[in-house]
Amino acid sequence: DVKVTQSSRYLVKRTGEKVFLECVQDMDHENMFWYRQDPGLGLRLIYFSYDVKMKEKGDIPEGYSVSREKKERFSLILESASTNQTSMYLCASSRGTGASYTFGSGTRLTVV
Amino acid sequence: TQLLEQSPQFLSIQEGENLTVYCNSSSVFSSLQWYRQEPGEGPVLLVTVVTGGEVKKLKRLTFQFGDARKDSSLHITAAQPGDTGLYLCAGDVTGANSKLTFGKGITLSVRP
Repeated sequence: DVKVTQSSRYLVKRTGEKVFLECVQDMDHENMFWYRQDPGLGLRLIYFSYDVKMKEKGDIPEGYSVSREKKERFSLILESASTNQTSMYLCASSRGTGASYTFGSGTRLTVV
Repeated sequence: TQLLEQSPQFLSIQEGENLTVYCNSSSVFSSLQWYRQEPGEGPVLLVTVVTGGEVKKLKRLTFQFGDARKDSSLHITAAQPGDTGLYLCAGDVTGANSKLTFGKGITLSVRP
């Protein structure tokens, strides 16, 4: 069964901590994405990647960075966590232009 | 400006009722997808429609792509509590890059 795996379902971090969210896909997909989902705001794209070592900013990249050293792994980094980054984070992958996304189960991050 | 408008935002119905929800845009899409997201999980692909006027059925769910490929509808017959969730539509804008554009979603609650 093909899947996208996010390393944690729930995380609680303190303000100012550096936070790493890991995402791994086993489908050899070219594209990977990080979204955050908040009530009333829908899915908002943070960063995406079309290829290894390649990244592009989405709609809300401020306060985040990403790393894609291997094709199957896409990491989201919160350099200095803040309470307004409390959210549901979703990773997704797709094989190419217009293709459907496969999502991970999400990471519920709480910053206190 | 939201590229994909979904309506209604919220819907609460009794088990056994029929319902139709909508996904509208002023843009033309080369394809359009519907996802369902259950609480605490990531979205899961239900269907992809690619041809104007196309109708696809998935058990009690009927999806239609508008003739002009700018809109789509989802009709559920005899809704069941298991249909409860957030329904997201997502489109691949013709000529755009490989990112999908997501609507904010429709929250459906089916009461037993």
